[in-house]
Amino acid sequence: GAVVSQHPSWVICKSGTSVKIECRSLDFQATTMFWYRQFPKQSLMLMATSNEGSKATYEQGVEKDKFLINHASLTLSTLTVTSAHPEDSSFYICSAPLEVGYEQYFGPGTRLTVT
Amino acid sequence: QKEVEQNSGPLSVPEGAIASLNCTYSDRGSQSFFWYRQYSGKSPELIMSIYSNGDKEDGRFTAQLNKASQYVSLLIRDSQPSDSATYLCAVISISGGSNYKLTFGKGTLLTVNP
Repeated sequence: GAVVSQHPSWVICKSGTSVKIECRSLDFQATTMFWYRQFPKQSLMLMATSNEGSKATYEQGVEKDKFLINHASLTLSTLTVTSAHPEDSSFYICSAPLEVGYEQYFGPGTRLTVT
Repeated sequence: QKEVEQNSGPLSVPEGAIASLNCTYSDRGSQSFFWYRQYSGKSPELIMSIYSNGDKEDGRFTAQLNKASQYVSLLIRDSQPSDSATYLCAVISISGGSNYKLTFGKGTLLTVNP
């Protein structure tokens, strides 16, 4: 199956700082990757669609200036949480499909805690 | 808004029994359907994908799709305690032309009792 990795797996940062999360497709190329956020006991919420070589598409209610997405290559997308606040503390998960429109494979997730 | 509905549970079954998980979706144009398993504190893991009406079997898992009723189900035979997890139904819908979006239900918590 397809393998997606994320780094770091967990991070603790102070309020007001920025955090970068990396998502890599290890054994396939992904022109599209997706970023999700999951709060405790809630389902996954799509934040944005990351497109290689073009701007990301953000879901309604997600601040694009706060959650910066860069998809610079066919195997790497990054999510930067800028000026993080405690309410940004969550489980951030990326995914990528082998083929657009078909099953998505998820990374292991990054648990962000903002103090 | 395109929605995916699941019974949140919890669903509790004894070891060895059949667990039946159900899901309905609102977007009649959806073509791709998935079941993911998510253990507490972990990311989702793909269990089954189904694209056409009928049944699809993979080991102890059977996915069933009825597009006319906009209904997807997952059966787990010979349930094991290790199957205890939250099961997420997910549907791909198309928005804004060629933008694909995977919409998740809220998940059903399954507990298999030894």
